[in-house]
Amino acid sequence: AQSVTQPDIHITVSEGASLELRCNYSYGATPYLFWYVQSPGQGLQLLLKYFSGDTLVQGIKGFEAEFKRSQSSFNLRKPSVHWSDAAEYFCAVGASGSSASKIIFGSGTRLSIRP
Amino acid sequence: NAGVTQTPKFRVLKTGQSMTLLCAQDMNHEYMYWYRQDPGMGLRLIHYSVGEGTTAKGEVPDGYNVSRLKKQNFLLGLESAAPSQTSVYFCASSYSIGERGNEQFFGPGTRLTVL
Repeated sequence: AQSVTQPDIHITVSEGASLELRCNYSYGATPYLFWYVQSPGQGLQLLLKYFSGDTLVQGIKGFEAEFKRSQSSFNLRKPSVHWSDAAEYFCAVGASGSSASKIIFGSGTRLSIRP
Repeated sequence: NAGVTQTPKFRVLKTGQSMTLLCAQDMNHEYMYWYRQDPGMGLRLIHYSVGEGTTAKGEVPDGYNVSRLKKQNFLLGLESAAPSQTSVYFCASSYSIGERGNEQFFGPGTRLTVL
């Protein structure tokens, strides 16, 4: 069974600074990997996803993530954060194969932006 | 195209009361899911459905029942609410075929308080 760990519960960065949110997964085969963002009081919105191919994936709102198989990681990055990026971010791993459409979510990382 | 909608948005129950949460999607998705979100625990899967008339247990199914009588609707029922069921409930849906099957679309959530 797959699992995912987000080691940072809360991160604060200054507006305009770069950001990296960590995600480590456990899965025996090539996983499907996702990053979702949740603004306060809202549902989850997909930022980006990795299924196969290029290990550096681009998402919405200027985010990107890199799949590193050797480190079992899928860290989320943004070169310059904006105050509107303050939210909770969830990494998720899905099992490959069309018969297993369940996703396991990490516990989330809350991002605060310092003015 | 409303995507995934949930009703109600908020609800307060007394211990022992029952209620049903309704999820509707207009994307013709085969799969639908119910999650609960609790602080520090990410999203946990309660039940899911891989098609009309089918349901299956997720990670935390106890105390909940579900039904999928129509493809577009997925109902979550609490027969006898308990304070431990105080949470935010999210519905999601996804395609079933190929790699798109792992990308889930989320509703805005229902905040439930059980006194």
